[in-house]
Amino acid sequence: GESVGLHLPTLSVQEGDNSIINCAYSNSASDYFIWYKQESGKGPQFIIDIRSNMDKRQGQRVTVLLNKTVKHLSLQIAATQPGDSAVYFCAAREGSNYKLTFGKGTLLTVNP
Amino acid sequence: EADIYQTPRYLVIGTGKKITLECSQTMGHDKMYWYQQDPGMELHLIHYSYGVNSTEKGDLSSESTVSRIRTEHFPLTLESARPSHTSQYLCASSRGYEQYFGPGTRLTVT
Repeated sequence: GESVGLHLPTLSVQEGDNSIINCAYSNSASDYFIWYKQESGKGPQFIIDIRSNMDKRQGQRVTVLLNKTVKHLSLQIAATQPGDSAVYFCAAREGSNYKLTFGKGTLLTVNP
Repeated sequence: EADIYQTPRYLVIGTGKKITLECSQTMGHDKMYWYQQDPGMELHLIHYSYGVNSTEKGDLSSESTVSRIRTEHFPLTLESARPSHTSQYLCASSRGYEQYFGPGTRLTVT
């Protein structure tokens, strides 16, 4: 089955630095990946997604990189701000349905 | 901002009580999901529905049940709450692969 995990459970950065959050997946058939941000007391919010036919996708201050060879994806946040402090989850789509499998999450703390 | 709502936001209830967690969305999404999430942990899918009168169990076994009589409404019911049901319950909906989440219901069973 699908297994999605994160390399580091916590990440602490200084305001203005770039942040990189990593995620590994095990199912080479996964074809869609998504990053969510979850602030305390709230539900997950969509950040960015990427399909397996792409290696990179950019959004506003965020970039997702996908390396299918080693089954790894990362979320890069440029010029990290205190408002970026949250738990970040990656998720992968299983097979031919719409279910997502979530990883454990990384807690990002931005120090002023 | 996604238009998906969950009530109540917080619920403290005694063992043995029957409870229903409400979830509604106004986006017309055909797919809806329930996840269970313990603090600081990943989301586990407990139920999902791809349309009216269609429900399936998710990857995590749960004693809860769901129904989907209307497109916009996907309530979750626990017939007899137990302390082991204490958790956060998140509802989501989607048209495609991207899921939109509600704010969650934090359930505590004493």
